Amino acid sequence: QKEVEQDPGPLSVPEGAIVSLNCTYSNSAFQYFMWYRQYSRKGPELLMYTYSSGNKEDGRFTAQVDKSSKYISLFIRDSQPSDSATYLCAMREIISNFGNEKLTFGTGTRLTIIP
Amino acid sequence: DGGITQSPKYLFRKEGQNVTLSCEQNLNHDAMYWYRQDPGQGLRLIYYSQIVNDFQKGDIAEGYSVSREKKESFPLTVTSAQKNPTAFYLCATRGTYGYTFGSGTRLTVV
Repeated sequence: QKEVEQDPGPLSVPEGAIVSLNCTYSNSAFQYFMWYRQYSRKGPELLMYTYSSGNKEDGRFTAQVDKSSKYISLFIRDSQPSDSATYLCAMREIISNFGNEKLTFGTGTRLTIIP
Repeated sequence: DGGITQSPKYLFRKEGQNVTLSCEQNLNHDAMYWYRQDPGQGLRLIYYSQIVNDFQKGDIAEGYSVSREKKESFPLTVTSAQKNPTAFYLCATRGTYGYTFGSGTRLTVV
């Protein structure tokens, strides 16, 4: 079983729709949760960064974390064609007392917003 | 401009050759990372370095080597021992506010 599971999609929705992207995880050591957006042939860029269970909102984006269920979500409201990209969840784990840490990524969900 | 520069953008390698991918940063970040991205597999950690002259293997280090002689530079060598090197390679740094990624190098074995 992978430490992080993400529905790979692809997912196509009409412009203006609400999009829901989800990841589950199995490693209780994951402490921080992130969502990255990646356009084709580019590096990922950070969208949202959360630590505690609950919701965090930033404009049209809402990140939701449920640590008890080991489940995180990203919601996109009023989706735009420019939101078409691959979305990756990532989980941060501290792996030593010397500050060593690493990110574990989901496989990514390819999203297309249809005008 | 502060950021991460990866070069080259595209790289072609003959079977049996070693190649080196460059990653340079001017963000003054101590920690640097190399990830490999394949379709349907997300990003997988190859090597990471928390500080100059120190680095650790990630989840898929076999067939790769790195060095960290300067804070700004973390080159990745893909050796002939790597059996399936065709992939998109991403370098990242970690700062106070999270991780920053470069634009990647696409390596193709011909």
